[in-house]
Amino acid sequence: GQNIDQPTEMTATEGAIVQINCTYQTSGFNGLFWYQQHAGEAPTFLSYNVLDGLEEKGRFSSFLSRSKGYSYLLLKELQMKDSASYLCAVRDAGKSTFGDGTTLTVKP
Amino acid sequence: GAGVSQSPRYKVAKRGQDVALRCDPISGHVSLFWYQQALGQGPEFLTYFQNEAQLDKSGLPSDRFFAERPEGSVSTLKIQRTQQEDSAVYLCASSLTVLAGSNEQFFGPGTRLTVL
Repeated sequence: GQNIDQPTEMTATEGAIVQINCTYQTSGFNGLFWYQQHAGEAPTFLSYNVLDGLEEKGRFSSFLSRSKGYSYLLLKELQMKDSASYLCAVRDAGKSTFGDGTTLTVKP
Repeated sequence: GAGVSQSPRYKVAKRGQDVALRCDPISGHVSLFWYQQALGQGPEFLTYFQNEAQLDKSGLPSDRFFAERPEGSVSTLKIQRTQQEDSAVYLCASSLTVLAGSNEQFFGPGTRLTVL
């Protein structure tokens, strides 16, 4: 099975940088995804990592270390609209296992 | 349409009633997924299809839950004899394929089921 751990809540200031960590223990691995979910809305895709290293996409970057079972999502130049839940998910064949999400609050 | 659609958006059922939740995936998407999301938690995998074939249903919590996708497009999740613990948001997602690459899942808006 899969076990995904991420912090429950984080707070950061507008304009700052925040790093959201995710650790996982898996029986299979075909990639790790990060999704953003605003309250009452559906998750939306942010990033995908399958090889070790950093993937950069505008203000968002995601890092993966498969040997350590570890990933992080880095958000730069935080904006108020970045206040949301951030979900880490590991895919094993067709099945994706999600963490419970990290609720990020961005303060002015 | 441009995205994944689900209906109804909200459903209130009395305990013991049967419900059917519909998902229309993005046209051309081969893979379709169903998730259950309780308040304050991440989506919990229920089942997934590749075209009309149900390849994994290991997440269905009981034999009261049944999903189908008979023509490889629209899918229906049916819950028989609903219980209060079935109250959750049911999310449907689709992707081009699940086999390789960064095939992100596109989520629908969900159906919020409340069982009284």
